[in-house]
Amino acid sequence: NAGVTQTPKFQVLKTGQSMTLQCAQDMNHEYMSWYRQDPGMGLRLIHYSVGAGITDQGEVPNGYNVSRSTTEDFPLRLLSAAPSQTSVYFCASADRPGAQETQYFGPGTRLLVL
Amino acid sequence: KQEVTQIPAALSVPEGENLVLNCSFTDSAIYNLQWFRQDPGKGLTSLLLIQSSQREQTSGRLNASLDKSSGRSTLYIAASQPGDSATYLCAVRNYGGSQGNLIFGKGTKLSVKP
Repeated sequence: NAGVTQTPKFQVLKTGQSMTLQCAQDMNHEYMSWYRQDPGMGLRLIHYSVGAGITDQGEVPNGYNVSRSTTEDFPLRLLSAAPSQTSVYFCASADRPGAQETQYFGPGTRLLVL
Repeated sequence: KQEVTQIPAALSVPEGENLVLNCSFTDSAIYNLQWFRQDPGKGLTSLLLIQSSQREQTSGRLNASLDKSSGRSTLYIAASQPGDSATYLCAVRNYGGSQGNLIFGKGTKLSVKP
């Protein structure tokens, strides 16, 4: 049971390049989310998914796309990287609604856009 | 719009002290509140989750309380140890929001000196 895994751990991009941040969980969780963490801003929700085939926007969705074709995977795509997207990105998952709504976070991807 | 505030932003205490971290939120219509721990360069680890109908939760030396009417939660750490040094974050899920949609405070950075 690996929990939530994220790849890559660190990435440097040039402005305008595209890339995909990978996130996978092996806990059969329905809910998955992407957050970015910036100094002085805290964690902010980018996109989230309540199940395979269903996604929705969070607080800061611009410049990012997501899809959820399987329960396990929730990739985040940067379409045309900008320096403002330099951040640490965290993926999280949670089980169905109920008492056990604990969020499980991945180790993060550190992205630098030059 | 829900806002979550954590005070203080940083706290330094000698080993063995009991301490309290504070979290306040502006909209009392929350579904639950979670406390997380984040070590430098790492992801978030869930410590305690309090449902809106609960007043407190305990895990080992940690005790979290919730007062919805006043929009406050506290995390009490008993007999602090150097290994407790980390950033502590609280997050709320609003009623009507999905499980993937947490609103975070900016955290309290705790340093426990030997």
